Amino acid sequence: GESVGLHLPTLSVQEGDNSIINCAYSNSASDYFIWYKQESGKGPQFIIDIRSNMDKRQGQRVTVLLNKTVKHLSLQIAATQPGDSAVYFCAENLSGSGTYKYIFGTGTRLKVLA
Amino acid sequence: DAGVIQSPRHEVTEMGQEVTLRCKPISGHDYLFWYRQTMMRGLELLIYFNNNVPIDDSGMPEDRFSAKMPNASFSTLKIQPSEPRDSAVYFCASSLEAGNTEAFFGQGTRLTVV
Repeated sequence: GESVGLHLPTLSVQEGDNSIINCAYSNSASDYFIWYKQESGKGPQFIIDIRSNMDKRQGQRVTVLLNKTVKHLSLQIAATQPGDSAVYFCAENLSGSGTYKYIFGTGTRLKVLA
Repeated sequence: DAGVIQSPRHEVTEMGQEVTLRCKPISGHDYLFWYRQTMMRGLELLIYFNNNVPIDDSGMPEDRFSAKMPNASFSTLKIQPSEPRDSAVYFCASSLEAGNTEAFFGQGTRLTVV
């Protein structure tokens, strides 16, 4: 039979509430992580990054948390706004053996409800 | 800087035809990446270059796909012959260095093979 497409998990959040988007990464050797936002018809845009020697980093309205023990990343968006509606991807950078790759997760769709 | 520039934005071609996608990275960026995005498989890394040299092409689906970077300001991704299953959005991205900074994405080329 025909394969189905990726089922993007969707997070629906009321405007003004906080959003938490989660991501599991694959390689325990990854040492650099990025969150990207992709709006319809556009390329992914950088939001925030974090290195493996940190467990938390804050930006403007966004916070990234890294738990290396369970290979988990989360993106917290404070006071979510309609303009935050997009698909969010985490990316890990695999830099072992001198090669550098940005590997992306499957993404989470954030819907902001007015 | 205008960011990563891709052309064309949209391409519709018939099965069997050759397709060439173009990318101009951000000036001064040493790394260039080609990604393919589909509903089935998400964002996949096809190939990346460092200082115009292909480093990892393990993501290139098959011999019909080839990529070149003749100089620091230009790269092409060619599909010959194209097939309907190649229909996707192809993104080019560049970064100043890999493993420490984010990759900047172009707007993508939406390829439809009929």
